[in-house]
Amino acid sequence: GNSVTQMEGPVTLSEEAFLTINCTYTATGYPSLFWYVQYPGEGLQLLLKATKADDKGSNKGFEATYRKETTSFHLEKGSVQVSDSAVYFCALTGNAGGTSYGKLTFGQGTILTVHP
Amino acid sequence: DVKVTQSSRYLVKRTGEKVFLECVQDMDHENMFWYRQDPGLGLRLIYFSYDVKMKEKGDIPEGYSVSREKKERFSLILESASTNQTSMYLCASSLLAVYNEQFFGPGTRLTVL
Repeated sequence: GNSVTQMEGPVTLSEEAFLTINCTYTATGYPSLFWYVQYPGEGLQLLLKATKADDKGSNKGFEATYRKETTSFHLEKGSVQVSDSAVYFCALTGNAGGTSYGKLTFGQGTILTVHP
Repeated sequence: DVKVTQSSRYLVKRTGEKVFLECVQDMDHENMFWYRQDPGLGLRLIYFSYDVKMKEKGDIPEGYSVSREKKERFSLILESASTNQTSMYLCASSLLAVYNEQFFGPGTRLTVL
């Protein structure tokens, strides 16, 4: 079945540091890949997505590239801010025709804390 | 903007009680989902529904049931709550296509004593 593995957290950085959160996946076919973010006390919201190999998703200074050869979708940001402190989830939805109904498989989440 | 609302932010129940968690979305989405979120485990799918009165089991359906009588509303039912069901419960909705994003509610933190 499908699975997603994220780097172990928590991650603690100083403001303006470079961020990488690793994400690798196992899936049959051609999944779509997502990064969701959960700010304290809130539900998840979509940060970015990529639907085919070599696509780059980007939003709010975050980027991730769909690498089929390494089955990875690492999240990066060049300069983090205190307001980026949140939990980040990598996820995929399988491409199994109409039966998957967009079900997401999530990684375990990575807690990011950014200090001033 | 899509809005997904959940009936309670915090809920405390006793072992053996029947518990109802309600979720409502206002964007006419076909799909609705119930997840539970536990530290170190990410989100795990309990049940989902792709149409009124239709439901499919997710990865961890044991101890739960669901109801979808109207398109905008999806209820999660704990028939007899147990302490191991203490968790954060998140509802989400999406359009039918596989690659469409899911929109999440704020979550209900359920404690079963």
